[in-house]
Amino acid sequence: AQRVTQPEKLLSVFKGAPVELKCNYSYSGSPELFWYVQYSRQRLQLLLRHISRESIKGFTADLNKGETSFHLKKPFAQEEDSAMYYCALNNAGNMLTFGGGTRLMVKP
Amino acid sequence: GEEVAQTPKHLVRGEGQKAKLYCAPIKGHSYVFWYQQVLKNEFKFLISFQNENVFDETGMPKERFSAKCLPNSPCSLEIQATKLEDSAVYFCASSQTNYNEQFFGPGTRLTVL
Repeated sequence: AQRVTQPEKLLSVFKGAPVELKCNYSYSGSPELFWYVQYSRQRLQLLLRHISRESIKGFTADLNKGETSFHLKKPFAQEEDSAMYYCALNNAGNMLTFGGGTRLMVKP
Repeated sequence: GEEVAQTPKHLVRGEGQKAKLYCAPIKGHSYVFWYQQVLKNEFKFLISFQNENVFDETGMPKERFSAKCLPNSPCSLEIQATKLEDSAVYFCASSQTNYNEQFFGPGTRLTVL
């Protein structure tokens, strides 16, 4: 069965510091992975997906099949990055399996 | 519409009462998904639809939960005889295909007293 693990419930950094939100997965097939973000009082929205290999708002994520990881990184955190971040795996073209989420707090 | 809409925003029910939640997917999206989030923990998949047909219902509790997506109507998720553990935020999402990005609604918070 597929599973997504985000080991940190809370990550607190200072503005300008690098950020890495960890995500590990277990899935027997070829995974499709996503990062979703939920800003305060807003709905859940897609931040990026591994197949597009793009950088959104300065964030990148690389799929590492050997380590079964899809960590989200940003070299210089901004206060507006404070939000809940969810890593998710698409199960063979259907439902999303989510991790438990990491709350990122960027302090001034 | 251009956003997934969910109604109501909040719903309070006594144990044993029925609860019905609604979701209007983005126009042109063929897939609708329902997820349950208990106590801000993980999202649990409940059911998905391709148009009005059930696509995957492996996450649906066998008893008390049912869902429909009928043509020209909002999709609905109904819980018969609610229990305390049904208290959660229920999210609806829609996508163009089952591989595309899922767009989420704002959620309906169900509180069972």
